[in-house]
Amino acid sequence: SAVISQKPSRDICQRGTSLTIQCQVDSQVTMMFWYRQQPGQSLTLIATANQGSEATYESGFVIDKFPISRPNLTFSTLTVSNMSPEDSSIYLCSVDWGRETQYFGPGTRLLVL
Amino acid sequence: AQSVTQLDSQVPVFEEAPVELRCNYSSSVSVYLFWYVQYPNQGLQLLLKYLSGSTLVKGINGFEAEFNKSQTSFHLRKPSVHISDTAEYFCAVNRKAAGNKLTFGGGTRVLVKP
Repeated sequence: SAVISQKPSRDICQRGTSLTIQCQVDSQVTMMFWYRQQPGQSLTLIATANQGSEATYESGFVIDKFPISRPNLTFSTLTVSNMSPEDSSIYLCSVDWGRETQYFGPGTRLLVL
Repeated sequence: AQSVTQLDSQVPVFEEAPVELRCNYSSSVSVYLFWYVQYPNQGLQLLLKYLSGSTLVKGINGFEAEFNKSQTSFHLRKPSVHISDTAEYFCAVNRKAAGNKLTFGGGTRVLVKP
């Protein structure tokens, strides 16, 4: 399976600021995904990050709020912009490891005050 | 659109007792099915998956699940739980030819008591 790391592991931020979350995988992968897990909730897909092209966003998520970069096949970033307390969540990246299987990173726990 | 329903939000169970976590999905097309586990303050770990073939799937840590196409279910079972199985369990589906996008159920919190 893939070894996936995320930075930071947790953060406390002030409203109105932005935070960039990094996701690193130990092998080259075609597709990476970003999910949000709101407190006590399940996971919701934010977007698919493809190397060399724009990210594809799911309904309810927009690029201005959640810009994503994918500079190479092992790395991606998600920025949470102009944060409000409603953005307090766990943000997880995952990778498409083939055979229809995704592996997840440890998550970034974000608290917005 | 597809949806995933986990019928129990919380399941308390005594150590060494069996546990079953229920998952039903709705989809008009064929799907792939997954169970993930999230231990406290950790990410998601893949327990098992059904892609095709035998409908009984064995996973890690003694878990197994059975795919029932007619009932559109994919229930997870373990014959004897340990304290360390205390975690949140998520059922997920991936609609074939949908670009490997997972749709998750609401999760089931398992609390194993001594």
